[in-house]
Amino acid sequence: ETGVTQTPRHLVMGMTNKKSLKCEQHLGHNAMYWYKQSAKKPLELMFVYNFKEQTENNSVPSRFSPECPNSSHLFLHLHTLQPEDSALYLCASSHIFAHYGVSEAFFGQGTRLTVV
Amino acid sequence: DQQVKQNSPSLSVQEGRISILNCDYTNSMFDYFLWYKKYPAEGPTFLISISSIKDKNEDGRFTVFLNKSAKHLSLHIVPSQPGDSAVYFCAASEEGAQKLVFGQGTRLTINP
Repeated sequence: ETGVTQTPRHLVMGMTNKKSLKCEQHLGHNAMYWYKQSAKKPLELMFVYNFKEQTENNSVPSRFSPECPNSSHLFLHLHTLQPEDSALYLCASSHIFAHYGVSEAFFGQGTRLTVV
Repeated sequence: DQQVKQNSPSLSVQEGRISILNCDYTNSMFDYFLWYKKYPAEGPTFLISISSIKDKNEDGRFTVFLNKSAKHLSLHIVPSQPGDSAVYFCAASEEGAQKLVFGQGTRLTINP
């Protein structure tokens, strides 16, 4: 496996379900991200993890709960979602250099989530 | 506050001609700029980047131009091919930042 891998690719869940999205990166990066892309909207940054520490949470509702056990794995735990949460959820990884900042980000294929 | 703006939601170009995608930014601290290409239901893929110390970077059919005084960058694709039809995002970051800031995207359609 190379690059950034997301599972599952498609997910349909009811509003009372609990599910998790998984992301794994094989690039040796130290930062991982969750993005949301809704129809006809720009990419929305949800969470940033740097060396498995959460460094940014862009006012994301608590029904989305991220987990980063190590620099290679990132999860997004979902519970009691709403239909308007239906979107493409993208994971990305990059390298953050101490002084220079962030390198180019590499994205996974995304999980197409439908909440019914 | 949209720091990176792509004011054209869509662009249609004839196959073989030049495609020019534009991006403006407001944050003068941005020093690294990138272009991504995205097909439907897939993640964006990195295309090309440019540092603020340069004004041009070329990679095959893709060239990115940076005009720092105008806070403007553009992506030129020549010649355009049908497989270039996709949504293109520009992104930027500043020194020491932990994230990229993305524009809204421009949908490019290459017509045969």
